[in-house]
This record gives sequence, structure tokens and C-alpha cells, in this order.
Amino acid sequence: EPEVTQTPSHQVTQMGQEVILRCVPISNHLYFYWYRQILGQKVEFLVSFYNNEISEKSEIFDDQFSVERPDGSNFTLKIRSTKLEDSAMYFCASSFDRYTIYFGEGSWLTVV
Amino acid sequence: GESVGLHLPTLSVQEGDNSIINCAYSNSASDYFIWYKQESGKGPQFIIDIRSNMDKRQGQRVTVLLNKTVKHLSLQIAATQPGDSAVYFCAENNYGQNFVFGPGTRLSVLP
Repeated sequence: EPEVTQTPSHQVTQMGQEVILRCVPISNHLYFYWYRQILGQKVEFLVSFYNNEISEKSEIFDDQFSVERPDGSNFTLKIRSTKLEDSAMYFCASSFDRYTIYFGEGSWLTVV
Repeated sequence: GESVGLHLPTLSVQEGDNSIINCAYSNSASDYFIWYKQESGKGPQFIIDIRSNMDKRQGQRVTVLLNKTVKHLSLQIAATQPGDSAVYFCAENNYGQNFVFGPGTRLSVLP
């Protein structure tokens, strides 16, 4: 069964460093998302991406965040200067129709 | 009850019993709902969905009920098994916009 894959599964970074989280969405999907989940809390929407541009973003997705689809398969989330409060599990997701979305296993980011 | 910070509401059921997990959603205009299961350290896994023009949908061992009048969604799991232990989230969607997730309920299956 096709699945969304994410790398790395876990990354530890120092505060102020840049981080890039990578995702390979399901191949025929058109809509791509990043969500995050702070430990023990609910899943929060960050950004959605369609047709090579951001279609929607939350207030969490400030100027420190950016997304890119550099080629036909990868979808990346960059955090330019990480803060302690960026520590969370980051989930990539994709959808064919903007309704049923499928999540990857997540990238656990720890900022120290 | 409602979750506050790290304290998720927890439902404990005996193996073999039926489980009912509830969710109150926020937007009366939401037209599509999904239940996700999340095991520790893993991503949310799709369980079952329902559109707002339905009030009930059944899958394998799971049933979702939708009450639009009171903005309430429930997930029923029949013959609960140890492998069902996880956190369950409902998510609502408004005409293809981003999903809004509920706070989650932890299901513990007792032997």
C-alpha cells in the first residue's frame, strides 16, 4: 500500500540552527501538508501546498518556516532558526482530493 | 471530560467489550470528518470517514455516528482488542480546507 515517507525520523538540533525535514508524498497525490504535534497535545495544522504554492497556512507558520517541492517527489519543511518551542513531531501528509489525507510516521525534532 | 495540556481523557475497556469514543467538533459548516488512530511514536492512521450528508457509517469492527444537531461525532469499536490501544482523534474538514483535529482520547484495553 502506498505510504507517505518522512526523513529523518528523529533529529536533535541546537537552538538557532536551520533544519530541513523531508517527505515523499504518495505519488499520485496533489495536495501536501505539514502538521505538527507537541508532545501530548493534539495535531496542529501548519501549511498546505498545491500546484507549487502554499494554499493555506496557520498562524504557527511564520517567517521562520518555509516549504518547497524541489522536484516531482519530495516535499520539504525548513525551519530557518529553530527555537526551543519548535520541538515537536512534524507530520507530512498528502491527499488526492483534499479530503482523505494520509500521514507519514513523523519526524521528531528536538531543539536543545 | 476535556483534555488540558498533557492530560488526555482516557477510556479503559475490557478486552472483548465495545468501546465508544466521543468527539465534539467546533464548526457547524464542517462537511467531512475522519477518525484517526495514533499509536505511540507513530503518525495518525486513517480509520473511517463520514460526510455530513450521512449520520452513520460502518467499517470493519468500527462505526462512526454523526449528530450534526449537537455537533457530535462518535467512534464505536466492536469487540475491542489489545491492538486497539492508542489515542484516537477526530478531525473535521470544511469543504476541502485544512483539517482541524480534536484533542484526542486515549483508549486502554484491559486484559
